[in-house]
Formats: sequence, C-alpha cells, structure tokens
Amino acid sequence: EDQVTQSPEALRLQEGESSSLNCSYTVSGLRGLFWYRQDPGKGPEFLFTLYSAGEEKEKERLKATLTKKESFLHITAPKPEDSATYLCAVCGAGSYQLTFGKGTKLSVIP
Amino acid sequence: EPEVTQTPSHQVTQMGQEVILRCVPISNHLYFYWYRQILGQKVEFLVSFYNNEISEKSEIFDDQFSVERPDGSNFTLKIRSTKLEDSAMYFCASSQQGFSGNTIYFGEGSWLTVV
Repeated sequence: EDQVTQSPEALRLQEGESSSLNCSYTVSGLRGLFWYRQDPGKGPEFLFTLYSAGEEKEKERLKATLTKKESFLHITAPKPEDSATYLCAVCGAGSYQLTFGKGTKLSVIP
Repeated sequence: EPEVTQTPSHQVTQMGQEVILRCVPISNHLYFYWYRQILGQKVEFLVSFYNNEISEKSEIFDDQFSVERPDGSNFTLKIRSTKLEDSAMYFCASSQQGFSGNTIYFGEGSWLTVV
C-alpha cells in the first residue's frame, strides 16, 4: 500500500524566511510524485511532477527535489501570497490513483 | 488556461436521497477521476474512468456510487442513497493520458453536506 507522510503539519514563516517542506513516501514502483497547492475551500492546484531520484523542478519561489524515499519543496523568500496547504501525492506502478499526504499548512507572515 | 469545472459548488441533501455531482473535464483529456476530501482529512481517491468504463476504484467506491459520461463533455458521480459520512468535498479531475506521469488537473470541488 502506497503511503505518504508530510512534515511539518504546519509552518509559520516570516516574509522572506526560506524553508523546506518534507514528503516521505513508500510506493511500489514510483510512476510520479506530485506537489499541489490547496487554498481553503478550493481544489488542488498543480505545481510539479517528479519522476525519478535526482530530478529537480522550479517555479518562481518554489523548487521541488526528489530522492528515492522523500521529496522536498523548498520555498525561497516566501511572500504572504504563498500561504496555503501544500500537498504531496504519489502514483505507483500499475495504478491510476494518487495517494495524498495530509499536507503542510504554510503561513507566511508579513 | 483550460480548467475542470464542477457543479454544484455546494449541495445540502437529506440522508437517503440521491445526489448527482457534475463535472466538465478539460476538453482534450481522456482520463477522468473523482476524489473526495472529508473536512480536515486527506484527499482520497474514489475512481478513475477511461474509454467509458471504470479503470480503477477504491474501497470507498461501493455499490452506492456510480459514474457516467452521458455525453461528450460531462462526467458525473452519483450517490444513490446518501449517508451522513458522505459529507465531504468531492473533486473531479482529468488528465490527457493515463498514468505515464501525466499531470492530473483538479476542479474546484463540490461541497456535499448530508443532514
């Protein structure tokens, strides 16, 4: 059974204070690891897909990295508009479904 | 940017009633999904659908649930006899291809409250 654990559950940062969110996973045959952003009462908004260990992707202040057991979402110089819950999900071999973690709720204080 | 649209955004229904949630996936997408998120909990997979049939479903997706693509644009989730524990946000999603690491795009959700 695929499992995803995200830490920390919640993170408060001052504006400009860089940090990282962690996603640990177990999956049989990783097809892809996804990062989504979710605002309250909204659907997950796609950020990145990573396919293999060593891969990195960047978008504005966000950078996602992948190892064989975990992924990190690095946030550089965050702004208040980056406040949201960040979700990590995996898809394993032979499956169409995403298994999500509980998410990390990020609050960026001006 | 193309998006997945869902209706209604919020529905309140009495226990035992049938509910249909509707979705219009992104137009050139071929794979369709329903997920749900109970308040404060993880997003959970319900079902995937391709070529007019279910390709995968979770344990949550029991006989009370069904999906249909009644025409070329809509994708629906029906709950036959709602229970209190069906109260959740239901997300429709779609992808262009099946899983080859394809991006899965989510709609804004339909919030279902069963009373």
